[in-house]
Amino acid sequence: KQEVTQIPAALSVPEGENLVLNCSFTDSAIYNLQWFRQDPGKGLTSLLLIQSSQREQTSGRLNASLDKSSGRSTLYIAASQPGDSATYLCAVKEETSGSRLTFGEGTQLTVNP
Amino acid sequence: DAGVTQSPTHLIKTRGQHVTLRCSPISGHKSVSWYQQVLGQGPQFIFQYYEKEERGRGNFPDRFSARQFPNYSSELNVNALLLGDSALYLCASSPTGGPIHEQYFGPGTRLTVT
Repeated sequence: KQEVTQIPAALSVPEGENLVLNCSFTDSAIYNLQWFRQDPGKGLTSLLLIQSSQREQTSGRLNASLDKSSGRSTLYIAASQPGDSATYLCAVKEETSGSRLTFGEGTQLTVNP
Repeated sequence: DAGVTQSPTHLIKTRGQHVTLRCSPISGHKSVSWYQQVLGQGPQFIFQYYEKEERGRGNFPDRFSARQFPNYSSELNVNALLLGDSALYLCASSPTGGPIHEQYFGPGTRLTVT
């Protein structure tokens, strides 16, 4: 059974700091890995999707890496801003599970002005 | 184009009651998946439907059921509500039932059971 773990559970940083969020998964037979942002009480906003054959994806100040063999992914946020405050969720899609996503429990990020 | 829509936005029910949540996928998408997100946790997969057939089911009791209609919209039904069913219910759609396409999430329905 696939299990996804995110560390840390919560993170508080001053504005402008670069930061790294971690995600690990137990079964490396994944099709892709996706990072989402969730604001309080809201739905999910997709940030980056990395196919299993890729090593990283970048969008603006965000960079996500994937090491499939070791079951790890990181989300790097450069020059953090108060507007980045949210919960960040990592999810994997397995090769044999159709559209099903398995999520971690998220990292709650607070960026202080 | 409109994204995934869900209704209602919020609702409050009493223990033992029944609830129906609705989801309309993005136009052209034939697969709908449902997830439950309890406060402070990540979403948990409940069901996937594709072309009106169940394609996957998570570890949820039989009180949870769903169906997909010919226009690809979907309903999630929960019977005999428990306090623990209080959660944000998320719907996601994708063009096909396989892993190749990204899923797009709706805003969710917040269910409170008292």
